[in-house]
Amino acid sequence: QKEVEQDPGPLSVPEGAIVSLNCTYSNSAFQYFMWYRQYSRKGPELLMYTYSSGNKEDGRFTAQVDKSSKYISLFIRDSQPSDSATYLCAMSGEGGADGLTFGKGTHLIIQP
Amino acid sequence: NAGVTQTPKFQVLKTGQSMTLQCAQDMNHNSMYWYRQDPGMGLRLIYYSASEGTTDKGEVPNGYNVSRLNKREFSLRLESAAPSQTSVYFCASSALAKSTDTQYFGPGTRLTVL
Repeated sequence: QKEVEQDPGPLSVPEGAIVSLNCTYSNSAFQYFMWYRQYSRKGPELLMYTYSSGNKEDGRFTAQVDKSSKYISLFIRDSQPSDSATYLCAMSGEGGADGLTFGKGTHLIIQP
Repeated sequence: NAGVTQTPKFQVLKTGQSMTLQCAQDMNHNSMYWYRQDPGMGLRLIYYSASEGTTDKGEVPNGYNVSRLNKREFSLRLESAAPSQTSVYFCASSALAKSTDTQYFGPGTRLTVL
């Protein structure tokens, strides 16, 4: 069993819809949780970052972490065609000197 | 301010050939990383350098070597390329080797080994 599970999609939704992207993980040592966005043929860029459990909101994006369930989510409100990309969850434990553990990424398509 | 740059952007090798992927960052970051990204596998850490003068193995180091040339540059070398090393390679950097530090990624190198 991989440490981080993420549905690769593709997930296709109409413009303006609320999008929910999710990851589950098995390593209870993970404390830091990130969402990266990756456009086609580009490098990933950090979108959201949260520590431990709870919610974090930034504009149209909300990240949620439920450590008791080992489940994290990214919500996108009022989705736009420009949100079409692959979304990667990533996480690490305390210290984090050895890099991040990534999910496989979910390919999201927002239909105009 | 270019951020993280990688060369080359594309490369085709024959089995057994060697090559070095170059990475440079201009953000004065201490830590640098090499990842590979494969369909259905996500990003996997090959090697990292927490600070200048140190390197450590990541999840998939076999078949690769790295050199932290100076604070700015971190190269990845394939001594004898194999088809299994066909992938997209990303270099990343962060201010410190800590979970709280954002990793900034380069644009990637697409490598095909025939």
